[in-house]
Amino acid sequence: AQSVAQPEDQVNVAEGNPLTVKCTYSVSGNPYLFWYVQYPNRGLQFLLKYITGDNLVKGSYGFEAEFNKSQTSFHLKKPSALVSDSALYFCAVSRTGAGSYQLTFGKGTKLSVIP
Amino acid sequence: GAGVSQSPSNKVTEKGKDVELRCDPISGHTALYWYRQRLGQGLEFLIYFQGNSAPDKSGLPSDRFSAERTGESVSTLTIQRTQQEDSAVYLCASSLLGGAPNTQYFGPGTRLTVL
Repeated sequence: AQSVAQPEDQVNVAEGNPLTVKCTYSVSGNPYLFWYVQYPNRGLQFLLKYITGDNLVKGSYGFEAEFNKSQTSFHLKKPSALVSDSALYFCAVSRTGAGSYQLTFGKGTKLSVIP
Repeated sequence: GAGVSQSPSNKVTEKGKDVELRCDPISGHTALYWYRQRLGQGLEFLIYFQGNSAPDKSGLPSDRFSAERTGESVSTLTIQRTQQEDSAVYLCASSLLGGAPNTQYFGPGTRLTVL
C-alpha cells in the first residue's frame, strides 16, 4: 500500500520569507510525486511533479520541490512567499507501472502567508 | 473553457434520496477519475475510466455508488439512498492518457450535503 504524510496541518510564514511544506511518502518501487494547490471553493491546481532524473523539480508560480529518495521526502519550497500563496497544499504519490493511476493524497497543509 | 467542468456546484439532498453528479473532462483526455474529499481530509480515489477499458471501481465505498462514462466524454457519478456520511466534495479529474506520470487536471468539484 502507498501512503503520504504531511506532518504539518498548518504552516505560517511572513511575506517575503522562504517557505517549506513537508511531505514524506511510502510506496513500493519507484514513485511518481505530485504537488497540488487548492484555493477556497475551487478544485485542485497542479503545481509540479517528479518523474525521474533531476531531484530538484521546478513548477508553477515559482514553486520547486526536492526529491530525496533516502529520506522518502518531497518537500515543496519557494524562496520568497507571497500573500497570494495562502492556500491548501496537497502532496500525492503513485507507484510506477501497473496501477499508477491511483494517486494517494496527503491530508493537506494549510499555508498562511502573513503580510 | 478548456478545463474540467462539474455540475452542479452544490447539491443539498435529503437522506435516502438519489443524486447524480456530472463531469465533463478536458476534450481529448482519455482518462477520467472520481475522488471524494471529506472535510479536513485528503482525496479518496473512487473510480477510474480509461478509454473503452473496463473501469477500476475498487475505490467505490459501497454498492450505493456507481459511475458511468460514455466513450471518452461525460461521466456521471450516482449515489443511491444517500446517507449523511456521503456529505463531501466530489472531485473529477481527467488526464490525456491513463496513469501517472500523466498529470490529472481537476474540476472545481460538487459539494454534496445530505441532511
